[in-house]
Amino acid sequence: GAVVSQHPSWVICKSGTSVKIECRSLDFQATTMFWYRQFPKQSLMLMATSNEGSKATYEQGVEKDKFLINHASLTLSTLTVTSAHPEDSSFYICSAALNEQYFGPGTRLTVT
Amino acid sequence: QKEVEQNSGPLSVPEGAIASLNCTYSDRGSQSFFWYRQYSGKSPELIMSIYSNGDKEDGRFTAQLNKASQYVSLLIRDSQPSDSATYLCAVNRLTGTASKLTFGTGTRLQVTL
Repeated sequence: GAVVSQHPSWVICKSGTSVKIECRSLDFQATTMFWYRQFPKQSLMLMATSNEGSKATYEQGVEKDKFLINHASLTLSTLTVTSAHPEDSSFYICSAALNEQYFGPGTRLTVT
Repeated sequence: QKEVEQNSGPLSVPEGAIASLNCTYSDRGSQSFFWYRQYSGKSPELIMSIYSNGDKEDGRFTAQLNKASQYVSLLIRDSQPSDSATYLCAVNRLTGTASKLTFGTGTRLQVTL
């Protein structure tokens, strides 16, 4: 139980384009999902908290107009990186909360 | 002072030995404590959660919590090469599911043959 999936697992895009990442809780309903970013050899950095049916709460320093989060259902949250630039290249990981937080497998984004 | 502190390592232990990973936190209001394992290039995997003072055992893993000292540790008995990974300590101010975790930077464990 407590399985979280992410799609795609990796994506390469050109600078200036937008990329959408999906996060799904497969066997439970998650009122709250979280989005993290991790650069090489660094720890997880929380970007935003996503609540079903309401606006996401962004951490300080995270641009909400650049990282669009939609939590349309209890099993799906999406992160859209708009007008991506090479500095957005990173490992993006979502988690869904049941009794604890369970992480998806991550999406590796490379912006060329 | 960082909210959650861990020694970055690497911590090197021989196969079969006990690995001891430590974590301190600054927020006395923290209620929930977690250990995650992260292999290189992969996402974190929950290993243990602990909510009250004392020890909690699960297989080869034992989590220890001392709220008075603001200290949480993870012991791995009979360490195996497959245990080589980065171990992340995380704390949560609330016991509910909706609040965010604060992570340490992780300790890299190397189990040698």
